[in-house]
Amino acid sequence: KNEVEQSPQNLTAQEGEFITINCSYSVGISALHWLQQHPGGGIVSLFMLSSGKKKHGRLIATINIQEKHSSLHITASHPRDSAVYICAARLYNQGGKLIFGQGTELSVKP
Amino acid sequence: EPEVTQTPSHQVTQMGQEVILRCVPISNHLYFYWYRQILGQKVEFLVSFYNNEISEKSEIFDDQFSVERPDGSNFTLKIRSTKLEDSAMYFCASSLTGLRPQHFGDGTRLSIL
Repeated sequence: KNEVEQSPQNLTAQEGEFITINCSYSVGISALHWLQQHPGGGIVSLFMLSSGKKKHGRLIATINIQEKHSSLHITASHPRDSAVYICAARLYNQGGKLIFGQGTELSVKP
Repeated sequence: EPEVTQTPSHQVTQMGQEVILRCVPISNHLYFYWYRQILGQKVEFLVSFYNNEISEKSEIFDDQFSVERPDGSNFTLKIRSTKLEDSAMYFCASSLTGLRPQHFGDGTRLSIL
């Protein structure tokens, strides 16, 4: 069983739509990362959170520790948001090691 | 903004040859990591490094793999005798502490022929 699961695996949206990507984990964590991977392969860190909610521009990340669930929301989506979005859990008491989800491939059509 | 740099961006090597992947972490960061991503699969942890020693490694990181911080700025991953299944994108990351966000390089695509 995967320790970090994402849904959906693929998502196609029209420009302007509100997007939600979900991440569930089955292990004790000290923090959860949301990352963005572009077609060239490079990974950019979007958020690291251990409780509550964070916002940066059109991106919002939330986490519910009791339910072991996190969501990434994109408001007013744009074609340049097209990428793979990955959640990664930093396990409790295991230093900085990250366990990755399989990623959600998002395509935003104009 | 400071960034993690990796070289080369693409490395093609014959099976059985040694390969060294290089990374320059962000200068004041103390924790360093290597991850890999086989094509079409999720990113996997290989090793973490702190205070000039390995702090944790995965079962993937066998005796064929080694890491080194030879000069206080570079952080290298060596694969001694490459196999076809080592073909993957390798990412280096660094963080200020084990609890702070990790910053990733753009990756090295390793192709084993």
